[in-house]
Parts: sequence; structure tokens; C-alpha cells
Amino acid sequence: KAGVTQTPRYLIKTRGQQVTLSCSPISGHRSVSWYQQTPGQGLQFLFEYFSETQRNKGNFPGRFSGRQFSNSRSEMNVSTLELGDSALYLCASSLGWGGPHNEQFFGPGTRLTVL
Amino acid sequence: KQEVTQIPAALSVPEGENLVLNCSFTDSAIYNLQWFRQDPGKGLTSLLLIQSSQREQTSGRLNASLDKSSGRSTLYIAASQPGDSATYLCALGGAGGTSYGKLTFGQGTILTVHP
Repeated sequence: KAGVTQTPRYLIKTRGQQVTLSCSPISGHRSVSWYQQTPGQGLQFLFEYFSETQRNKGNFPGRFSGRQFSNSRSEMNVSTLELGDSALYLCASSLGWGGPHNEQFFGPGTRLTVL
Repeated sequence: KQEVTQIPAALSVPEGENLVLNCSFTDSAIYNLQWFRQDPGKGLTSLLLIQSSQREQTSGRLNASLDKSSGRSTLYIAASQPGDSATYLCALGGAGGTSYGKLTFGQGTILTVHP
């Protein structure tokens, strides 16, 4: 069974640009969550999508947005990039409901560098 | 607001030692607790998932315990090997409702096992 995949793996952008990152969950998983990882703040939750609906949202500005498609693939978008957005962006997938099915599986991440 | 603390921040041990990593949290109303490892520049690999109703989980040389009343979890690694060198992260899933996809992470313990 293929794991969680993320594309692209590396991105270099300049301030003010926008960027779209993609995540394909494990087959059969309906929940996709996004996290930002930086050396100073560690791993911080961005948002979660389940069955094409945003189910939970972290404390990030509106420049960060996401969506989920009917095949459970998800994208996140960051508009008007700032230097502080440089980070490793990780997505995780799970079956989406409670009990043992809630184990989260992470992708390899997208390394975003903003110049 | 859930706060997660991992102690120690870094640990260096000789090969073959048994070791314990600690994770403490402030809100005991959790749904589950998951331990991950992260190799430099990589995504997270799930090691163990403990449901809130469970006290421990074991996988190979790894054993994780959970004590909700004291707000603590430990990850025990037996007979450590150089390949165990990585950052170990504990993450808490919120209690019930629609918080399944949101994990709150500690800052991690950087483990180095030298030959």
C-alpha cells in the first residue's frame, strides 16, 4: 500500500508570491491534516479536511487556505508569501474517525524556502 | 490549551543501552497519544498509538505507556542501536468531537546512539 505522498518536495519562492502544495493520502483514508514545522515553533497544526469539508483549523492567518477533493487528495495554498513562511509543510492522513482508526500517517513533506 | 513537554531535549547513549523518553501534558482529556520518529529533513514515522483507554502499547523493542491521571507518557527503547538515532516526538489527539485530525506536538527529544 502506497504511503502519503506530497508534491513538490522542494520549492523556492520570493516574498509576495503564492504557492500551492499537494498531498495524496493513503488509499481509503478520508482525513487529511496539514502541519507547519519550523525550528523555532516546532510542529503546528494548520487545518484538517474530512470528506471535502474543513473540520478543524489552527491559529494561522487567512493567507493559509486549503481544500480537499472528492478523491481525498488535498491542496494547501499560501498567498502573499512572507519570509517567516519558510518551513517544512507536512500532511498526514487517517481513516478519519475515532478509535484505532485515528492513527495519523505522515508524508515526506514539502520544504518551502521564501527569499 | 493543551501543552506538551518532552524531557530530555537531547540524549546521547552508547549502543546497547535501554532508555526512556518522557512526555508530559497539561490536559488529560485526550483521545489518544501517538509517538513518532523523525529523521533529519524527513517526514514523521508513526511508532505507536495509545488510545486513551489503554495503558501501554508494545512494538518490537519499543514500549509506550500512558498515565492520563498524571499527564505523562513514556517511550521505552530496549537495546538501543545506532539506527535508532532520530528525533522522537509525542503528539496528543484532542478528546472526541471533530478534533480527530488535530495533533498537539511536543518539541521532541533528539536521540543519538553511538557505536
